[in-house]
Amino acid sequence: AQKITQTQPGMFVQEKEAVTLDCTYDTSDPSYGLFWYKQPSSGEMIFLIYQGSYDQQNATEGRYSLNFQKARKSANLVISASQLGDSAMYFCAMRDLNRDDKIIFGKGTRLHILP
Amino acid sequence: NAGVTQTPKFRILKIGQSMTLQCTQDMNHNYMYWYRQDPGMGLKLIYYSVGAGITDKGEVPNGYNVSRSTTEDFPLRLELAAPSQTSVYFCASSYSKGLGEQYFGPGTRLTVT
Repeated sequence: AQKITQTQPGMFVQEKEAVTLDCTYDTSDPSYGLFWYKQPSSGEMIFLIYQGSYDQQNATEGRYSLNFQKARKSANLVISASQLGDSAMYFCAMRDLNRDDKIIFGKGTRLHILP
Repeated sequence: NAGVTQTPKFRILKIGQSMTLQCTQDMNHNYMYWYRQDPGMGLKLIYYSVGAGITDKGEVPNGYNVSRSTTEDFPLRLELAAPSQTSVYFCASSYSKGLGEQYFGPGTRLTVT
């Protein structure tokens, strides 16, 4: 069965430092997509970055990069030069592209950026 | 461009009442989803649809019903509301199978007392 695991319920990081948020996944399908979303205190879900299972290179979007290690089934989000506005809840999600195409989410990591 | 819209934003229901949460998208997306998010938790998939006339159960479908008569609309029906259905409900849509991200609505905060 598909499963997403985020083992860090909360993190505190000094402003301007880099942050790595962990995500491991489990699927038996070879074709899948991995996502990261940010949810600030206002509640909306903001898409950050996407990685396809067949993508050769790690995805990057501005200060966000996805450290994709397929053999380990991990898809960690790296935020470079963290800012106060990065304080939020972060969710990892996965979509099986061959099966029923559902998207499932991890439980999230709450990131606090300290000034 | 409105994206995904949800109404209402807030609602308080009494136990046993029914209501429909509305969701509309104007991006011509085939795929639409309903999630619930309990306090401090991630999102759980309630129902989803891969196109008009097609719906399927997600992880937590009990107590809910959906319909998809048009590409744009994907209403979620709660019958006989229970306190366990107190949650924030998100509707989302995506363009097609496997391509990129979902677009989320702003959410509906529902309290059942």
